[in-house]
Amino acid sequence: QVTLRESGPALVKPTQTLTLTCTFSGFSLSTSGLCVTWIRQPPGKALEWLARIDWDDDKYYSTSLKTRLSISKDTSKNQVVLTMTNMDPVDTATYYCARVRVVAGTDLIDYWGQGTLVTVSS
Amino acid sequence: DIQLTQSPSSLSASIGDRVTITCQASQDIINYLNWYQQKPGKAPKLLIYDASNLETGVPSRFSGSGSGTHFTFTISGLQPEDFATYYCQQYDNRPPWNTFGQGTKLEIK
Repeated sequence: QVTLRESGPALVKPTQTLTLTCTFSGFSLSTSGLCVTWIRQPPGKALEWLARIDWDDDKYYSTSLKTRLSISKDTSKNQVVLTMTNMDPVDTATYYCARVRVVAGTDLIDYWGQGTLVTVSS
Repeated sequence: DIQLTQSPSSLSASIGDRVTITCQASQDIINYLNWYQQKPGKAPKLLIYDASNLETGVPSRFSGSGSGTHFTFTISGLQPEDFATYYCQQYDNRPPWNTFGQGTKLEIK
């Protein structure tokens, strides 16, 4: 049974750095074809892809946010960490981590965490 | 960057209706398009992948079609549990990249 859970602060101040942890079970991030991605959703708005880390430690970032994002994994702990620097109120959103399965060139975001709401306010 | 335009942004329908949502890509994405359902306060759920393939366990009343730049998502015979927001999502592999449409909120008439 695949599960993912996001954890981190619910409130951060402007200019601070946000660190979110995704703890997962039911799969290994050392398995070929498996990845973990981060996606966010501002209240009442659409989904926005942020970053992805692959089984082989390749990392990919949203073009518009790449200067502020960093993603890493600890395979032994089944965790993926996302950091976002210089937080702003417009970054207020629910942040989701999710598993990506890459099969024959197809990317499937097949399991999601429940999401964690992060509010940016002084 | 590839843009996805979903229409309509909202839709009212009745139980048993057939509804169709469209997703237009700003350039050819072949069939690299997935559809998700999201209910309030919940994470999205994958319904359709590669434009027309039904994810395991998803009811057959959901279907998708299209290729290139024009895609459609159809629910045939709306059920009460289908009222939700639906998103199309484009992915690329070179390098990996994802874009979501702005969503279509399906409400009960």
